[in-house]
Amino acid sequence: DVKVTQSSRYLVKRTGEKVFLECVQDMDHENMFWYRQDPGLGLRLIYFSYDVKMKEKGDIPEGYSVSREKKERFSLILESASTNQTSMYLCASRTGTVNSPLHFGNGTRLTVT
Amino acid sequence: QKEVEQDPGPLSVPEGAIVSLNCTYSNSAFQYFMWYRQYSRKGPELLMYTYSSGNKEDGRFTAQVDKSSKYISLFIRDSQPSDSATYLCAPWDTGRRALTFGSGTRLQVQP
Repeated sequence: DVKVTQSSRYLVKRTGEKVFLECVQDMDHENMFWYRQDPGLGLRLIYFSYDVKMKEKGDIPEGYSVSREKKERFSLILESASTNQTSMYLCASRTGTVNSPLHFGNGTRLTVT
Repeated sequence: QKEVEQDPGPLSVPEGAIVSLNCTYSNSAFQYFMWYRQYSRKGPELLMYTYSSGNKEDGRFTAQVDKSSKYISLFIRDSQPSDSATYLCAPWDTGRRALTFGSGTRLQVQP
């Protein structure tokens, strides 16, 4: 079974702090993704990565950056957290084949005060 | 206009009912269509996916795609309380190589 593990289930940070959200997958997947999920807006793609050291902007990359130094790990960085980044953050991974599904972690609920 | 539209619900049905969940999309680059189920406080999990227009059946679940009208449906037969969850339709954008999600429909199956 594919396992996507997000390091924190709940996180509370202050405005202006630098925040790191970590995600690890154990299936040697090439592609990894970060989404945020908000009521009424669904899941929106922040960044994704096709392979190690590669990254692509999604639909809402502003205020975020990512790092993928190892194949199994994909980090989301909030350079200076703001209250409008309070959200549920979901990490996902998949193989590189054309119709392979995404496998999600259970999410990190981030609150910025 | 959002690329993928879903009625947010909640949709409340009695146990045993047939449920119809629907989704429309606007982007012709969408080629594969996935349905995810998300229980409260969990990440989404893949339920079904289909490529071509027509029906695909898996147990009590049937996915239907009409590419000509850009309309996707998920039918659940003999619905159970354990089916209570949010259902997300997610077309795969072959150009961008990423999923685009609808906002999800919350389903409640009453025992």
